[in-house]
Amino acid sequence: DAGITQSPRHKVTETGTPVTLRCHQTENHRYMYWYRQDPGHGLRLIHYSYGVKDTDKGEVSDGYSVSRSKTEDFLLTLESATSSQTSVYFCAIRVVDEQFFGPGTRLTVL
Amino acid sequence: AQSVTQPDIHITVSEGASLELRCNYSYGATPYLFWYVQSPGQGLQLLLKYFSGDTLVQGIKGFEAEFKRSQSSFNLRKPSVHWSDAAEYFCAVGGGTSYGKLTFGQGTILTVHP
Repeated sequence: DAGITQSPRHKVTETGTPVTLRCHQTENHRYMYWYRQDPGHGLRLIHYSYGVKDTDKGEVSDGYSVSRSKTEDFLLTLESATSSQTSVYFCAIRVVDEQFFGPGTRLTVL
Repeated sequence: AQSVTQPDIHITVSEGASLELRCNYSYGATPYLFWYVQSPGQGLQLLLKYFSGDTLVQGIKGFEAEFKRSQSSFNLRKPSVHWSDAAEYFCAVGGGTSYGKLTFGQGTILTVHP
C-alpha cells in the first residue's frame, strides 16, 4: 500500500460544471501524476508535478488544470466538464523509479 | 516521442497453459520498462520492471519478462496460467531523466478458461 487515496471515488456530473478530483499521499513523495484510462487507449498522462507549485502538461492536458499547494495533495480540475472527459482517473506517485497508483475515480459527465 | 504497442487486444488461454503477452516500444534512450496488471474494477499493480542488467527479469505471481533491445520488445511470460491471472495487462515505458513520465500500451485483456 503506497498510501494514496483519491476522492471522490465515483462522481456523476453534468456538462459544463466544474469538477475537482483530489489525490492525497501520506509519504511525502515529490513526483505525482494524473492519468486517465479509456478502453483501447490504456492510460494517458494528463498532468504531472515534480514539487510544490511545479507542474507540467502531459499528453492529454486540454480541458484540465492542476494544482499542488502542498506536497501531499495534487488536485485535478475540469473547468467545464464535457462528455469526452467521462473516464476513470488515476493518480500515481513516483517512488525511486517506480510508479504506484491510487484506486481511481470513475467520472461520468452527462 | 516514446510509444508502446501491445499488438494483442484480447488473449484467451486455458488454465495451466503457457502465456506470452507481447510489447513493443519506441524510446530514444535507454528505456525503463514495466508491466502492470489490473483486475476488474481495481487499480494497477506492478508485476515487474527492467532498468538495466540481466535482460530476463522475474516478477511477482510467477511472471517473467525478457528485454530484447534488437527487437525493441519486452514480452511478458508465464509458464502455467492460473484462473486468477485473468485481468488486463499493461506494458509501459519511461526513463529516469524524463520526470518519471510513463507511456502505456493499449492493454491486453487475458481470459482464462477452466
